Amino acid sequence: AQSVTQLDSQVPVFEEAPVELRCNYSSSVSVYLFWYVQYPNQGLQLLLKYLSGSTLVKGINGFEAEFNKSQTSFHLRKPSVHISDTAEYFCAVSISSNTGKLIFGQGTTLQVKP
Amino acid sequence: KAGVTQTPRYLIKTRGQQVTLSCSPISGHRSVSWYQQTPGQGLQFLFEYFSETQRNKGNFPGRFSGRQFSNSRSEMNVSTLELGDSALYLCASSTKGLAGPNTGELFFGEGSRLTVL
Repeated sequence: AQSVTQLDSQVPVFEEAPVELRCNYSSSVSVYLFWYVQYPNQGLQLLLKYLSGSTLVKGINGFEAEFNKSQTSFHLRKPSVHISDTAEYFCAVSISSNTGKLIFGQGTTLQVKP
Repeated sequence: KAGVTQTPRYLIKTRGQQVTLSCSPISGHRSVSWYQQTPGQGLQFLFEYFSETQRNKGNFPGRFSGRQFSNSRSEMNVSTLELGDSALYLCASSTKGLAGPNTGELFFGEGSRLTVL
């Protein structure tokens, strides 16, 4: 079975500072990895995904993530955050790119302060 | 192109009642998945439908059921509601089964927020 651990439930950061949201996963098979963002009272929006190829993945809104197979991690980074990045971020895994079943982490609330 | 549409957005029920939630996927998408989101348990997979057939099921009791129609619209039903069923129910569609590479991306609706009193 697969599992996802997001190591921080809340991450406060000042505007224009860099941020890293940490995600570790556990799986006995190869996985596909995703980061989603959820703004208040909205559904989830895909930020980026790793299916194969380059381990550094760039997404929307200036976010990027690096897949590290040896450390089973997929940390999300942004070099300079904005107030508008305040939201909840979810890391997720699946064992196939052809399934609607994702295993999500518990989420990390990013609080960007002015 | 319209996104995933879920109705109703908000509803309040009492224990023992049943509820039906509706989801219209993005036009052309044939796969629909349902998730339950609660503060305590986070996001949990309920089930996935593709071409009117349930393809995957999460670890939920039989009170939770769903179906998909020939136009890919989906409904989920929860019978004999319990207080713990209060949650945001999210529907997502994907390009699974369509021509071209499948990116694995799920497109989520805004959810139906169910409160059970």
